[in-house]
Amino acid sequence: DGGITQSPKYLFRKEGQNVTLSCEQNLNHDAMYWYRQDPGQGLRLIYYSQIVNDFQKGDIAEGYSVSREKKESFPLTVTSAQKNPTAFYLCASRGGQAGNQPQHFGDGTRLSIL
Amino acid sequence: AQKITQTQPGMFVQEKEAVTLDCTYDTSDQSYGLFWYKQPSSGEMIFLIYQGSYDEQNATEGRYSLNFQKARKSANLVISASQLGDSAMYFCAMREGRQAGTALIFGKGTTLSVSS
Repeated sequence: DGGITQSPKYLFRKEGQNVTLSCEQNLNHDAMYWYRQDPGQGLRLIYYSQIVNDFQKGDIAEGYSVSREKKESFPLTVTSAQKNPTAFYLCASRGGQAGNQPQHFGDGTRLSIL
Repeated sequence: AQKITQTQPGMFVQEKEAVTLDCTYDTSDQSYGLFWYKQPSSGEMIFLIYQGSYDEQNATEGRYSLNFQKARKSANLVISASQLGDSAMYFCAMREGRQAGTALIFGKGTTLSVSS
């Protein structure tokens, strides 16, 4: 079945360490997105990419980096510069040009500090 | 200023009753889209319903309907005949402009609790 796979489901980071969250989709979607969700809060946009080899910063990009070398993959790196990385991270993708097409989400990765 | 405002942190309803979840938005674009998502405790985001700014009729999808009042900039979600499985967090989101790949702006959500 087509969908979005995020891994790992749980991730622990040590101080000063960079960690990478994986997001893979087999929906043939052009656009992909990373959101951060803090407890009891809405989703905030970190980065998004509308096409391979291109991406834009969202509202809270500081301390994060991404790459989009393949259409199917949009990994997110949480760098040591991100001082408060504990959160739930959601990856999404969107296909087509019609305005009513929703974003499809993965199951998320929960990141915690050790 | 918040672009999407959900003023109800929590709502409580009994099974089989209808419930309305409020959402107001702020945009200067003429073309925009409004989405509602459901997030159960497991964390995944489930798309429920969409309303385009030029749609003349309110959107409906099964037990979900959208009360769209453009002049008031509100897009309230109505869930009819609530079920225990409807207990979850509900998010209103907006896509501004015409470009399809534009990211969504989310509200802070409303937690719905359905009791028997």
